Amino acid sequence: SQELEQSPQSLIVQEGKNLTINCTSSKTLYGLYWYKQKYGEGLIFLMMLQKGGEEKSHEKITAKLDEKKQQSSLHITASQPSHAGIYLCGAADRGSTLGRLYFGRGTQLTVWP
Amino acid sequence: DTAVSQTPKYLVTQMGNDKSIKCEQNLGHDTMYWYKQDSKKFLKIMFSYNNKELIINETVPNRFSPKSPDKAHLNLHINSLELGDSAVYFCASSPGVGTYEQYFGPGTRLTVT
Repeated sequence: SQELEQSPQSLIVQEGKNLTINCTSSKTLYGLYWYKQKYGEGLIFLMMLQKGGEEKSHEKITAKLDEKKQQSSLHITASQPSHAGIYLCGAADRGSTLGRLYFGRGTQLTVWP
Repeated sequence: DTAVSQTPKYLVTQMGNDKSIKCEQNLGHDTMYWYKQDSKKFLKIMFSYNNKELIINETVPNRFSPKSPDKAHLNLHINSLELGDSAVYFCASSPGVGTYEQYFGPGTRLTVT
């Protein structure tokens, strides 16, 4: 199975600051998925990265995939209170085509005004 | 309209009881999943169904039995509840097998006393 390590485990930033969350895999990544979870709610799909070097952006959130380093990073520019929540990375199991996703333990982000 | 809905949202019960959690999706997806998120926020897949057929069955006690009456519904029945079953259970769906952009329900917080 795939093991994903996220860092940091928690992050507290002031509104307007930039931040980065990292996700490192124990195995080669064949697809990396970022989700956001707000307290008491389900996960919301943010972005999918499939190719080495790929970078995607959605509003102020940018995610990159470094296949060589078996790592992905999520960068938020000029953070806002609405960015607060738990960010989880998920990786596909290369040996499976069944949609099995392995998740990291999440990074809890707090943005204070 | 809620895309993936779960009932109940909260469930408090005593050890040894049997309980069910229901999930419905109105997205027209073929594939549905059950995930368990423990107290340390670790999210792990339990089951997956594609068009009413079981396709993923992780190492889960056989006290847990999923049932899919049709492709829009996936229920989870738990027999002889134990303290360790306390967690948040998430239902999710995706367009088809092998698609990792999954849409999650709000979760059911199960507390076993």
